[in-house]
Amino acid sequence: EAGVVQSPRYKIIEKKQPVAFWCNPISGHNTLYWYLQNLGQGPELLIRYENEEAVDDSQLPKDRFSAERLKGVDSTLKIQPAELGDSAVYLCASSLGLAAYNEQFFGPGTRLTVL
Amino acid sequence: QKEVEQDPGPLSVPEGAIVSLNCTYSNSAFQYFMWYRQYSRKGPELLMYTYSSGNKEDGRFTAQVDKSSKYISLFIRDSQPSDSATYLCAMSRKNQGGKLIFGQGTELSVKP
Repeated sequence: EAGVVQSPRYKIIEKKQPVAFWCNPISGHNTLYWYLQNLGQGPELLIRYENEEAVDDSQLPKDRFSAERLKGVDSTLKIQPAELGDSAVYLCASSLGLAAYNEQFFGPGTRLTVL
Repeated sequence: QKEVEQDPGPLSVPEGAIVSLNCTYSNSAFQYFMWYRQYSRKGPELLMYTYSSGNKEDGRFTAQVDKSSKYISLFIRDSQPSDSATYLCAMSRKNQGGKLIFGQGTELSVKP
């Protein structure tokens, strides 16, 4: 069974440019998460989706970040415009449901460098 | 103060040693406790999962939760070079399913 797929794996952009990350969750997983992981830190939740609905986006900086999960499968996270401080790894995870006992499976992440 | 505190290490041990990793937390509402392992340039993978207090053993790994002290531990017996990774503790509240709060992660190196 394929795991969570993310692309691109690496992205280097100039500050003020837009950037987008794509995630394909494990088949059948209704819940999708985007996390931000700074160097030497644990992941921090940005947004959670249950099917197409964002059930928790309280940690998403909405002035420059946006996310969508059309048709309740793939998801895209966008930053516009990017800032130097956005350099980090962006992780996508999926699970069968929202309940805390459902294991979250993580993708390999997209490593963003903003110059 | 962060909700979950974890010593970042790095921690270096010889092969075969017993490794002890731990986290402290401040919110007594946490009821689900997890340990994730993250290899370099990879996403975290779930290693151990515990609900409420108690111990759980899986092969060379033992997870302990002491809710009265707000303290969780992961023990690795007979450590192997392949255990070299960053270990992240994570926890969540019962009524906020899926919202994991992670510790900073401890970088472990097991030397042959």
